[in-house]
Amino acid sequence: NAGVTQTPKFQVLKTGQSMTLQCAQDMNHEYMSWYRQDPGMGLRLIHYSVGAGITDQGEVPNGYNVSRSTTEDFPLRLLSAAPSQTSVYFCASSPGTGGRSPLHFGNGTRLTVT
Amino acid sequence: GENVEQHPSTLSVQEGDSAVIKCTYSDSASNYFPWYKQELGKGPQLIIDIRSNVGEKKDQRIAVTLNKTAKHFSLHITETQPEDSAVYFCAASIREDTGFQKLVFGTGTRLLVSP
Repeated sequence: NAGVTQTPKFQVLKTGQSMTLQCAQDMNHEYMSWYRQDPGMGLRLIHYSVGAGITDQGEVPNGYNVSRSTTEDFPLRLLSAAPSQTSVYFCASSPGTGGRSPLHFGNGTRLTVT
Repeated sequence: GENVEQHPSTLSVQEGDSAVIKCTYSDSASNYFPWYKQELGKGPQLIIDIRSNVGEKKDQRIAVTLNKTAKHFSLHITETQPEDSAVYFCAASIREDTGFQKLVFGTGTRLLVSP
């Protein structure tokens, strides 16, 4: 059972480039979400999805897009990377809604934007 | 907006001592309070959680207490071991106007257990 798988583990981008961070889970969880982790700021919610075809914005959605075409996958797209998006990104899934059930996290993608 | 405050930001203890991390929250409707442990290079992992209808929960060396009146909850680790060294995050559920409940995380506590 792989749980939540994120790829790539590391990525370096130049300002203005675009990329997609991949996230897949094999636990048949309806809820999936993306967080970013910055020093001294904890984990902040970027976007979330309560099921296939449904997405919504979290606390810090600007500069990011998501889609949920299947239960398993929840990719995060950076449209035009900025240095402020340098961070560690975590994907998480849950069998219930995000605020009522334990979150299962992937091991993260460390992104550097120069 | 709603937030969760976590203290201390760093905590150093000797092996065998107890460690206590405290969090406060602002939303009186919060009803779910998980704690996560994050080891270097990995994602956070749930270690214990508590719901608002319970005041205390234990799991071997780990316990969480909740004071709803004061809006604070704490993580207690007894008989600490070097492998307890990690970053610990508290979180609280926050209900948005839409009815959706999300988790808001504290800023983390770096625990160092020295042999």
